[in-house]
Amino acid sequence: SQTIHQWPATLVQPVGSPLSLECTVEGTSNPNLYWYRQAAGRGLQLLFYSVGIGQISSEVPQNLSASRPQDRQFILSSKKLLLSDSGFYLCAWSVRGAAGTDTQYFGPGTRLTVL
Amino acid sequence: RKEVEQDPGPFNVPEGATVAFNCTYSNSASQSFFWYRQDCRKEPKLLMSVYSSGNEDGRFTAQLNRASQYISLLIRDSKLSDSATYLCVVNRALLSSASKIIFGSGTRLSIRP
Repeated sequence: SQTIHQWPATLVQPVGSPLSLECTVEGTSNPNLYWYRQAAGRGLQLLFYSVGIGQISSEVPQNLSASRPQDRQFILSSKKLLLSDSGFYLCAWSVRGAAGTDTQYFGPGTRLTVL
Repeated sequence: RKEVEQDPGPFNVPEGATVAFNCTYSNSASQSFFWYRQDCRKEPKLLMSVYSSGNEDGRFTAQLNRASQYISLLIRDSKLSDSATYLCVVNRALLSSASKIIFGSGTRLSIRP
């Protein structure tokens, strides 16, 4: 069966510090991968998606970047965190198939607080 | 206007009650539809897909009306463990064979003993 891991689970960082969040998927090959952010009391916002190694698409302009160095690894980064980067960061995967009909499955998330 | 609209609630109902959630979406290019459940400070988890013919999973029934762009979820004989936020979700294709999932802001449900 497929599993998705994220770490760390929680993180408290000062403003201006760098960030690296990691997501890995097991039990599947060539998945689509996604990064979402959920701000406190708000809905989920798609940040990045990837359909393959080195292929990253950004949905919204922001202070963050993403990379996919391996098929089942997805990394979210920032060089300098802002207060507004605080939130619940969720990684998701789906089976590569007909776009628009796949189901996405979420990792346990990383709760980031920027002080 | 949000692409997916839900009543934010909260719904506070007694155990055993029947609860109905409604959701509307604005993009007619949406291709697939889901209900997710999110517990406090946890990740969203898939509850069920939603089909035009309507589908049932135990105490849960979901319905889709493509013509009116309306999705519903019915929970019968509600349990304390049903307390959560219910997210209406629509899926449409992005370029590059990926999908864009649009989440509603969620409806909070609280079941009281």
